[in-house]
Amino acid sequence: AQSVTQLGSHVSVSEGALVLLRCNYSSSVPPYLFWYVQYPNQGLQLLLKYTSAATLVKGINGFEAEFKKSETSFHLTKPSAHMSDAAEYFCAVSNLGGGADGLTFGKGTHLIIQP
Amino acid sequence: ETGVTQSPTHLIKTRGQQVTLRCSSQSGHNTVSWYQQALGQGPQFIFQYYREEENGRGNFPPRFSGLQFPNYSSELNVNALELDDSALYLCASSLVGQRGTGELFFGEGSRLTVL
Repeated sequence: AQSVTQLGSHVSVSEGALVLLRCNYSSSVPPYLFWYVQYPNQGLQLLLKYTSAATLVKGINGFEAEFKKSETSFHLTKPSAHMSDAAEYFCAVSNLGGGADGLTFGKGTHLIIQP
Repeated sequence: ETGVTQSPTHLIKTRGQQVTLRCSSQSGHNTVSWYQQALGQGPQFIFQYYREEENGRGNFPPRFSGLQFPNYSSELNVNALELDDSALYLCASSLVGQRGTGELFFGEGSRLTVL
């Protein structure tokens, strides 16, 4: 069985500061890993995904994540936070790339941006 | 191209009733998945349909059922509603196969309240 743990249900950073959202996973096979963002009253939007091509993955809106197999981690970072980054962020894992096994999501991290 | 649309956006039911939620996939997509997102939680995989057949299912009882139609639209049916079924139900479509990456595109969801 696969699982995702997101450390910190709420993370608060100042505008312009580094954003770091933590995600650890467990999977019995090489995983597909994803980060999604959810704005209030909206569906989920894919930020980036890891599919074994490169360990450092760049996504939209300046976000990136690094796959570290030895640490079973896939932390999300952004060098400089913007007010528009305030949202809920979900890390997810899949064995089949989001296919018939579905995505297993973490509980989410609410990112707060302080002016 | 049109995105994933879901209806209704909000609805209220009472325990024991039945509900049908609808989803129109993004144009060109051949696969649809449904997820349940309880308040303050990450989405949980209910099932996936490909070519009008269920080809993957999460840990949900049989009273959760679905249909996929030839035009790739979909329905989620829940019978004998329970209070714990109150949640945001998300539909996601994807293109699986040589031309597709399997990336999920989510709708904005249908919020179900069971009283």
